[in-house]
Amino acid sequence: QVQLQESGPGLVRPSGTLSLTCAVSGGSISSSNWWSWVRQPPGKGLEWIGEIYHSGSTNYNPSLKSRVTISVDKSKNQFSLTLSSVTAADTAVYYCARDLGITGTTGSAFDFWGQGTMVTVSS
Amino acid sequence: IVLTQSPGTLSLSPGERATLSCRASQSVSSNYLAWYQQKPGQAPRLLIYGASSRATGIPDRFSGSGSGTDFTLTISRLEPEDFAVYYCQQYGSSPPLTFGGGTKVEIK
Repeated sequence: QVQLQESGPGLVRPSGTLSLTCAVSGGSISSSNWWSWVRQPPGKGLEWIGEIYHSGSTNYNPSLKSRVTISVDKSKNQFSLTLSSVTAADTAVYYCARDLGITGTTGSAFDFWGQGTMVTVSS
Repeated sequence: IVLTQSPGTLSLSPGERATLSCRASQSVSSNYLAWYQQKPGQAPRLLIYGASSRATGIPDRFSGSGSGTDFTLTISRLEPEDFAVYYCQQYGSSPPLTFGGGTKVEIK
C-alpha cells in the first residue's frame, strides 16, 4: 500500500518561500505515475498546483507557474514543492498525491493522497 | 476547463438516492473525469475515474455516468457514511488539471 507523508513548516512569513516535502513509502517514486501537489484553502475547494514525473518532467498550473518549482529526489523516494513570494492567499492545506498512471503524458486522477499539512502565511 | 457542480448543497435522508451534476465548459477529452469524496479533516478519496469506472474498494452504490460536457455521480441509497463533500475533476485537458467547486451532501 503506497503511503505519502507531507512535511514542512506550518508558518511562512509573507513574501517568503513555502517549502514542503512528500515522502513516499510502500512504492517507488520511479514507477509510472505522476506525483502532484494539491492545495485547499480553509473552507474552500481543491486547487491543483503541479506535478512531476520521475524523469524530472513537470507540469504546473498556469495561475501559479511563475512562483512554483516541483523537484524529485529519487535517492530519498520523495518529491518537493517550493512556492515563492507567498501571501495570505496561499494559506491552505497542502496535499501531495499520486496519479493512477493511466494517461502517460500528464497526470490523471489521484488514487493515493497524503494526510495534508496546514500552511499559514502570516507575520 | 472550468467545472461547475450542482447543486451546491443536497439535503437528503439515509436510504435516498443522490444525483450530483458536473458540467464542463468544454468537452472533456476521452471522458477523463473523476469523482472524489471528502470528509472533514480528511484527504479526498477517489470514487470514480474515466467517468464511470469505480476505484478499488468503492461500493457499487456509487456510479458515474456522462460524456462530453455533462457528467453525473449517483449514490443509489445513501448510507450514513456517505454524507460528505463531493468533487469532480477533469484530466483530459492538462495543464491544468481542474476540480469543480464541490457539492455537499448533508443529512436532511
